Amino acid sequence: GQQLNQSPQSMFIQEGEDVSMNCTSSSIFNTWLWYKQDPGEGPVLLIALYKAGELTSNGRLTAQFGITRKDSFLNISASIPSDVGIYFCAGLRSNYQLIWGAGTKLIIKP
Amino acid sequence: GAVVSQHPSWVICKSGTSVKIECRSLDFQATTMFWYRQFPKQSLMLMATSNEGSKATYEQGVEKDKFLINHASLTLSTLTVTSAHPEDSSFYICSASPRSGGAGTQYFGPGTRLTVL
Repeated sequence: GQQLNQSPQSMFIQEGEDVSMNCTSSSIFNTWLWYKQDPGEGPVLLIALYKAGELTSNGRLTAQFGITRKDSFLNISASIPSDVGIYFCAGLRSNYQLIWGAGTKLIIKP
Repeated sequence: GAVVSQHPSWVICKSGTSVKIECRSLDFQATTMFWYRQFPKQSLMLMATSNEGSKATYEQGVEKDKFLINHASLTLSTLTVTSAHPEDSSFYICSASPRSGGAGTQYFGPGTRLTVL
């Protein structure tokens, strides 16, 4: 099925470094969502973006909704060990179904 | 707020038996609930969309007679895997969209690990 293009697939970074990941789509979405999933758990909503160009922060996390509504990025500043996990972007369709990216696995080297 | 629970968190069953998984929105009413399954190292795959008081809408390739969904109230949806087989072993996750506000944002349960022997 349809899927968003999410990159990178995985990241190996040092603790304290900043992280950046992004998603692109050929379709327009009115809402973009960023989730984090820990092993054996369900996804947890990090940031929801509702307006084109919107820049939203949640603690050390910042996400922006592209002006064309076809892309979004997520930044994590000063990474810490608990940031480890898989990050998913998702676009919300008009019927409230989510279209998912393939995920970015974040691994932090101590 | 926006807490979704699932029960059980894990279940092991024999082949041929049926397993019921519950999904509850604890602090909000959810007009719509979604059921996903997730295979290792993959993103979530939508199985069906469940609206309170009506029949679920299943995605292509998902057998509605095998995966029975009941959305009896605004806070509870159940997924029953009937006559489970080893290939049904997976991580099943539900999500719920608040009835008001949030523009359709989905909040996820913690998932249920099903292992069919």
